[in-house]
Amino acid sequence: EPEVTQTPSHQVTQMGQEVILRCVPISNHLYFYWYRQILGQKVEFLVSFYNNEISEKSEIFDDQFSVERPDGSNFTLKIRSTKLEDSAMYFCASSEQGLANEKLFFGSGTQLSVL
Amino acid sequence: EDQVTQSPEALRLQEGESSSLNCSYTVSGLRGLFWYRQDPGKGPEFLFTLYSAGEEKEKERLKATLTKKESFLHITAPKPEDSATYLCAVRRGSQGNLIFGKGTKLSVKP
Repeated sequence: EPEVTQTPSHQVTQMGQEVILRCVPISNHLYFYWYRQILGQKVEFLVSFYNNEISEKSEIFDDQFSVERPDGSNFTLKIRSTKLEDSAMYFCASSEQGLANEKLFFGSGTQLSVL
Repeated sequence: EDQVTQSPEALRLQEGESSSLNCSYTVSGLRGLFWYRQDPGKGPEFLFTLYSAGEEKEKERLKATLTKKESFLHITAPKPEDSATYLCAVRRGSQGNLIFGKGTKLSVKP
């Protein structure tokens, strides 16, 4: 079965540093998403992306965050100046057509630790 | 405010002991309710999507049902490999933005 691939699986960084989390969505999918899960808390929506544009974002997704599809296969999340509270598991997801009752396929996540 | 509440937070069962997990929701304009399974250190894995009240879906030992205010995930004769956290999420609007509950951590002992 096709899957969403995320790299790295773990990332440790110093507060204030920039990090880029990488994702390869399923090849024929058109909609891409980032979610995060702080330890012990709910999975939270960050942003959705379609046709090279952000289609929806949450309050969490402030000016420190950006997303990009630099080529035909990768989808990245950049955090410009990391804070301690950015420590979380970050999940990339994709869906084929972005329909309301369509399932999202999630990757295995990148565990980000900000020291 | 849109909200998803799951209960119980944790559930311990003996192998073969059937039970149900609850997901109650408050959302304006429900476009779909989703059940996902999450294993430790992994991303959510899709189980079911339900769209309208009265709808039911089944997969192996799992059966999901939906009413206007809540959904149930029934587990019949569970096995140890069913141990995981089960997440409920609702979708509003036409794109992404799933709202997740905190999940129910299920442990099935042999």
